[in-house]
Amino acid sequence: SAVISQKPSRDICQRGTSLTIQCQVDSQVTMMFWYRQQPGQSLTLIATANQGSEATYESGFVIDKFPISRPNLTFSTLTVSNMSPEDSSIYLCSITGKATRTEAFFGQGTRLTVV
Amino acid sequence: AQSVTQLGSHVSVSEGALVLLRCNYSSSVPPYLFWYVQYPNQGLQLLLKYTTGATLVKGINGFEAEFKKSETSFHLTKPSAHMSDAAEYFCAVSEAGGSYIPTFGRGTSLIVHP
Repeated sequence: SAVISQKPSRDICQRGTSLTIQCQVDSQVTMMFWYRQQPGQSLTLIATANQGSEATYESGFVIDKFPISRPNLTFSTLTVSNMSPEDSSIYLCSITGKATRTEAFFGQGTRLTVV
Repeated sequence: AQSVTQLGSHVSVSEGALVLLRCNYSSSVPPYLFWYVQYPNQGLQLLLKYTTGATLVKGINGFEAEFKKSETSFHLTKPSAHMSDAAEYFCAVSEAGGSYIPTFGRGTSLIVHP
């Protein structure tokens, strides 16, 4: 399976600031996704990162708050903008399996704490 | 639409005891089913998956799960718990022939006592 590198692994940020999270995959993949995992909760899909076009956001998530870039088939960034303590979560980058596209693979996650 | 229900947010077992984590799903088309494990401060790792064929699937670390269509269930079991099994476990479903984007359950925290 592909190796997914996500950074930073954790950060503590001041409210009102923005943080950009990077996701690098060691091979070209068609589909990349960003998830949020709030404390003690399951994973919620934020958006699908589309190469060469605007990301597709899920209900409850907007581009102004979570801008996403996907300049090529191996890299994506998620920015958490104008942060508040409610944004404290784990943010996970994910891809589908290259061969079968049946299962999802995940990066190590970025643990964000907003103070 | 698809959904997953994991019964029990916490399951506590003794080391060496049977592990049973319950998962029920809802899907309008034949499902793909998954169990993922999340160790502290790590991302999610695929334990096992069911797509087609044999309904009893074996995964890593001695875990297995059985797809029961009539019960819409995909429970995860392990005959003998080990301390290193303590983690968060997520059941997920996606739709065959669909977008392959999984929907996750709320997770079950497995606690293993010595």
